[in-house]
Amino acid sequence: NAGVTQTPKFQVLKTGQSMTLQCAQDMNHEYMSWYRQDPGMGLRLIHYSVGAGITDQGEVPNGYNVSRSTTEDFPLRLLSAAPSQTSVYFCASSYSGLFTDTQYFGPGTRLTVL
Amino acid sequence: AQSVAQPEDQVNVAEGNPLTVKCTYSVSGNPYLFWYVQYPNRGLQFLLKYITGDNLVKGSYGFEAEFNKSQTSFHLKKPSALVSDSALYFCAVRDGPSGGSYIPTFGRGTSLIVHP
Repeated sequence: NAGVTQTPKFQVLKTGQSMTLQCAQDMNHEYMSWYRQDPGMGLRLIHYSVGAGITDQGEVPNGYNVSRSTTEDFPLRLLSAAPSQTSVYFCASSYSGLFTDTQYFGPGTRLTVL
Repeated sequence: AQSVAQPEDQVNVAEGNPLTVKCTYSVSGNPYLFWYVQYPNRGLQFLLKYITGDNLVKGSYGFEAEFNKSQTSFHLKKPSALVSDSALYFCAVRDGPSGGSYIPTFGRGTSLIVHP
């Protein structure tokens, strides 16, 4: 059981570039989420999904897109990177409940936008 | 709006001594409360949660937390600290079904340093 995996671990982008952060889980969890972690702040929810084909916005969705074509995968797309998107990004999954159940987090992707 | 506060940026404790990491919250309904731990360059790991029932919740690695509704607190405790407990600890809250928001709010984190 690999749990929640994220790629890449590190990424440097130039302003205006686009990229996709990958997230996969092998626990057959229905719920998946993307968070960003900034220094001195708690995690903030970007987007989440309650199952394949169903996604919704979180607290800070602007500049990001998601899709959920399979139960296992939940990629996060940065459409046009901005320095304000420099952050550490975490993907998480849970078996049941809309943020009422234990979340399992991936190791994170550290993104720098120049 | 819901909120969570971790009033201490850093907690220092000697190995073998009891530790407390504080968390207070504000929600409209009955809260779902969580503690997570983050080791350097790692993702968050679940420690324990309060949904309903007994106010004293026992979790992983010997940690426990007490839900206090009147003081709106959910402090994390451990009777005897280990150097390996040194990490960043996050409290998180989600409002209950009768509350306003289902999106979880995380605290800013408390750095726990256990000295040998």
